[in-house]
Amino acid sequence: GNSVTQMEGPVTLSEEAFLTINCTYTATGYPSLFWYVQYPGEGLQLLLKATKADDKGSNKGFEATYRKETTSFHLEKGSVQVSDSAVYFCALSETGGGADGLTFGKGTHLIIQP
Amino acid sequence: SAVISQKPSRDICQRGTSLTIQCQVDSQVTMMFWYRQQPGQSLTLIATANQGSEATYESGFVIDKFPISRPNLTFSTLTVSNMSPEDSSIYLCSVGTDNTEAFFGQGTRLTVV
Repeated sequence: GNSVTQMEGPVTLSEEAFLTINCTYTATGYPSLFWYVQYPGEGLQLLLKATKADDKGSNKGFEATYRKETTSFHLEKGSVQVSDSAVYFCALSETGGGADGLTFGKGTHLIIQP
Repeated sequence: SAVISQKPSRDICQRGTSLTIQCQVDSQVTMMFWYRQQPGQSLTLIATANQGSEATYESGFVIDKFPISRPNLTFSTLTVSNMSPEDSSIYLCSVGTDNTEAFFGQGTRLTVV
């Protein structure tokens, strides 16, 4: 079956530091890959996605590249802000849209200190 | 985008009782899903709520424990039956279509005592 493994937190960084959250996956076929974010007190929301190999998803200064050869989709940001403090989930689906259930990683709690 | 209202937002229940969670969407959507997030764990798909027919359950989840209804394209309920402390989790409703991303409700935090 499908699975997603991501680094477990909490990850604590200072403001303006470089961020990497690792995510690797196991899947049959060619899944679509997602990063979801959950800010304190809010629901899950899509941060970025990539639907095929070598695609780069980007949003709000975050980016992740779909690497088929390493089955990875690592999340990066060059300079984090306190407002980026949240829980980040890596996920995959067998389709690119919302018509398919998602397989999630365990989530990474990111804490940014001023 | 889709706006999802999930009720209740949290509850504390006695073991052996049942709780029904409601999910209301502000637009018609093709697919509705229910997830569980146990403490310190990932989100796990429980089932796909099918409009007008029985839900499709994932491995490890059964209809007797998690009956689901979906009477129309904007509403679904998940019941957690005969609860035990192991059912303490966050339960989330999610919706989507082929042409959109998946949207999530804010979840129901259930504690069973």
